[in-house]
Amino acid sequence: DSGVTQTPKHLITATGQRVTLRCSPRSGDLSVYWYQQSLDQGLQFLIQYYNGEERAKGNILERFSAQQFPDLHSELNLSSLELGDSALYFCASSVHNEKLFFGSGTQLSVL
Amino acid sequence: LAKTTQPISMDSYEGQEVNITCSHNNIATNDYITWYQQFPSQGPRFIIQGYKTKVTNEVASLFIPADRKSSTLSLPRVSLSDTAVYYCLVVTSFSGGYNKLIFGAGTRLAVHP
Repeated sequence: DSGVTQTPKHLITATGQRVTLRCSPRSGDLSVYWYQQSLDQGLQFLIQYYNGEERAKGNILERFSAQQFPDLHSELNLSSLELGDSALYFCASSVHNEKLFFGSGTQLSVL
Repeated sequence: LAKTTQPISMDSYEGQEVNITCSHNNIATNDYITWYQQFPSQGPRFIIQGYKTKVTNEVASLFIPADRKSSTLSLPRVSLSDTAVYYCLVVTSFSGGYNKLIFGAGTRLAVHP
């Protein structure tokens, strides 16, 4: 158990809908990272927050947004969903950059 | 950001030692080399990290030559359960988290009976 909690574990929705994925980092970790992993694809970095502030952005679509709250949990919002958004979404947390702890992911299926 | 290059796939047999090499030619002075392991449908798991020479833990060893332009992850006596994707990352260690931690394609290791 990495100590990072992601909910829900599975999400099935339809095209055009909006969903919110939630991540609770390990106790004491200030950084939260979001990654997307499509079937047989590598991990695509989406966005990173540190203590509530956005610190780095990857190839995140404009339809996607995220935030980190004062209690350090983070949410990834995906809107106007398309079939291609179906993927595993991972959250990771860290104290510093050198060691990430990943959650077990949210499997999103867009039908 | 230092770009990393590693083999796409490797095959081995149970009980053998496996060495996966990663090249990172433009590594900077403040950069560390970190390796992760990922099983299907699971999040990556930290294996080992090093800055120079050799680092060993209960799972693996990491060898880094003096020029630090490459590194080798060594897995002793692999078993079937070591079948996974292994990622090499170069990260800059400082507080505040400005570095985008970019995972490459990784090395898909298959261990055979």
